[in-house]
Amino acid sequence: GAVVSQHPSWVICKSGTSVKIECRSLDFQATTMFWYRQFPKQSLMLMATSNEGSKATYEQGVEKDKFLINHASLTLSTLTVTSAHPEDSSFYICSVQGWGSPLHFGNGTRLTVT
Amino acid sequence: EDKVVQSPLSLVVHEGDTVTLNCSYEVTNFRSLLWYKQEKKAPTFLFMLTSSGIEKKSGRLSSILDKKELFSILNITATQTGDSAVYLCAVEPGTASKLTFGTGTRLQVTL
Repeated sequence: GAVVSQHPSWVICKSGTSVKIECRSLDFQATTMFWYRQFPKQSLMLMATSNEGSKATYEQGVEKDKFLINHASLTLSTLTVTSAHPEDSSFYICSVQGWGSPLHFGNGTRLTVT
Repeated sequence: EDKVVQSPLSLVVHEGDTVTLNCSYEVTNFRSLLWYKQEKKAPTFLFMLTSSGIEKKSGRLSSILDKKELFSILNITATQTGDSAVYLCAVEPGTASKLTFGTGTRLQVTL
């Protein structure tokens, strides 16, 4: 069964609005979750590491004020794309890794900003 | 900086063929190498490799790691159209759980 639940699976929004994506770890408590972004025909690029109870760690070039991450509990992390623009249109995927196990991915969220 | 290079970038084969996908890497303090299959949605896990020379096998898929030469291969025998996907290779460093992904190999299996 699914280890990671991500919601919504797709969303269309207008330029300038904000979109929140949820990622839930179903099978275990996750102190760390990861957010990736994937543009068409490109590989997964790590955006940030979400840490439960503390600030997220962002990769170089990722704007922390634009991509707000909240990891308020051991099973839920959220990514909010603020003031979205068409260039933010992408496939966003969260992932969770349990101790000694491989990374498991959510089903992803396809964001289209019009 | 960790680096993963996959080849070929894309491949078209006929059903029944055998394919070999390559992954070479550079990583600080290697912990594991992982293979994922990505169809239309998020990647699904195939293999995790940590030791050299030990083949991991699942049905028609198998994979092996060479830590000395810093590469891994993924073999698919008797390919089927359902094998059509992007196959991603990723490495995990020993110091963190952050994976570095390759750009993937896009495999298309035709009838």
